[in-house]
Amino acid sequence: NAGVTQTPKFRILKIGQSMTLQCTQDMNHNYMYWYRQDPGMGLKLIYYSVGAGITDKGEVPNGYNVSRSTTEDFPLRLELAAPSQTSVYFCASSHWDRGYTFGSGTRLTVV
Amino acid sequence: DQQVKQNSPSLSVQEGRISILNCDYTNSMFDYFLWYKKYPAEGPTFLISISSIKDKNEDGRFTVFLNKSAKHLSLHIVPSQPGDSAVYFCAARGAAGNKLTFGGGTRVLVKP
Repeated sequence: NAGVTQTPKFRILKIGQSMTLQCTQDMNHNYMYWYRQDPGMGLKLIYYSVGAGITDKGEVPNGYNVSRSTTEDFPLRLELAAPSQTSVYFCASSHWDRGYTFGSGTRLTVV
Repeated sequence: DQQVKQNSPSLSVQEGRISILNCDYTNSMFDYFLWYKKYPAEGPTFLISISSIKDKNEDGRFTVFLNKSAKHLSLHIVPSQPGDSAVYFCAARGAAGNKLTFGGGTRVLVKP
């Protein structure tokens, strides 16, 4: 019973590098989300998807891209990493009207 | 513009006593409210929720109260236990889609 799996758990990037945060869920949820949590702050929505092939911007999408080619996977791409992207990233999934199941997070530091 | 606010960043309570966490919101279109609990190095986990058509929902030691006229909800934990020490997030769902807006969190410390 894996739920939502995020990889990697930790990563250090240099300014200007790129990387992809992986997220996969095995609950057949249509909806998937990416949030970031900055120290002492709540979670802010970066991107979300209501099904394969459909994605939309959230509150803080700049500097990120997503794709949703399958129901299970929702990777988050960071292009040209900046120190402002230092954060903890959480992926989540849900049915259309239910609460979220979160992954355990990816702690990213950009130096 | 913070639509969901938790004005108390931290709360300390003695084991066995009541913990009361508060949350205020500004968007009257929110139709569903949830509380999540988060331990360090883990993702948030769902705790309890309430629909906007109700004013109270109870699940064991956890009760959520909703006051729509005041745009205020609260989470009561009775009795508090050391394992309740965590960060608690209030979240609200808009009428369109299933996107959640989160508050900034309240760190609860339950002292033995």
